[in-house]
Amino acid sequence: GENVEQHPSTLSVQEGDSAVIKCTYSDSASNYFPWYKQELGKRPQLIIDIRSNVGEKKDQRIAVTLNKTAKHFSLHITETQPEDSAVYFCAAISGGSYIPTFGRGTSLIVHP
Amino acid sequence: GAVVSQHPSWVICKSGTSVKIECRSLDFQATTMFWYRQFPKQSLMLMATSNEGSKATYEQGVEKDKFLINHASLTLSTLTVTSAHPEDSSFYICSARISPPPDTQYFGPGTRLTVL
Repeated sequence: GENVEQHPSTLSVQEGDSAVIKCTYSDSASNYFPWYKQELGKRPQLIIDIRSNVGEKKDQRIAVTLNKTAKHFSLHITETQPEDSAVYFCAAISGGSYIPTFGRGTSLIVHP
Repeated sequence: GAVVSQHPSWVICKSGTSVKIECRSLDFQATTMFWYRQFPKQSLMLMATSNEGSKATYEQGVEKDKFLINHASLTLSTLTVTSAHPEDSSFYICSARISPPPDTQYFGPGTRLTVL
């Protein structure tokens, strides 16, 4: 089955800095890669996603890149703000099964 | 955007009792819903995939007789934790998949279960 590795597990940055979270996947059939933000005690919220036919996608301060050959994708947050502090999860989904495999999560802490 | 509700948001029960959690897609029809369990500071652990009108598919290690799932309609799935024990205490989250692609999943707010 699919295996998703996510790094780092914890990321601490100063307000205004950029943050990068990386994920790798093992199943070449995976073709959809969403990123979720989860604040303490709340539901995961979809913040950005990318499909395998696209290499990069951007939405304001958030961007995601995908390298299909290397089987890795990354989340980039620029000009971080304290409200960006949360746990971020990557996921990989195969079109055949629709079942997501989640990474272990990255706890992002943005210091004011 | 798509909204998924979950009820109750929290429940405290005695050991040995059963607890039912409801997951509803409010503004879309969800042919597939997923049930997750999340321990503190850990990732989402998929318990089962629920398809409307058919039996749920359970992940390895999840007891189907303990965690009963019913997906009776395109907008409602229920998870019943039978004969709950303290080790079942956890955060249970459902999600609903919008079909056709992009197959985005939208999560419910979660249910905090505490078994005394």
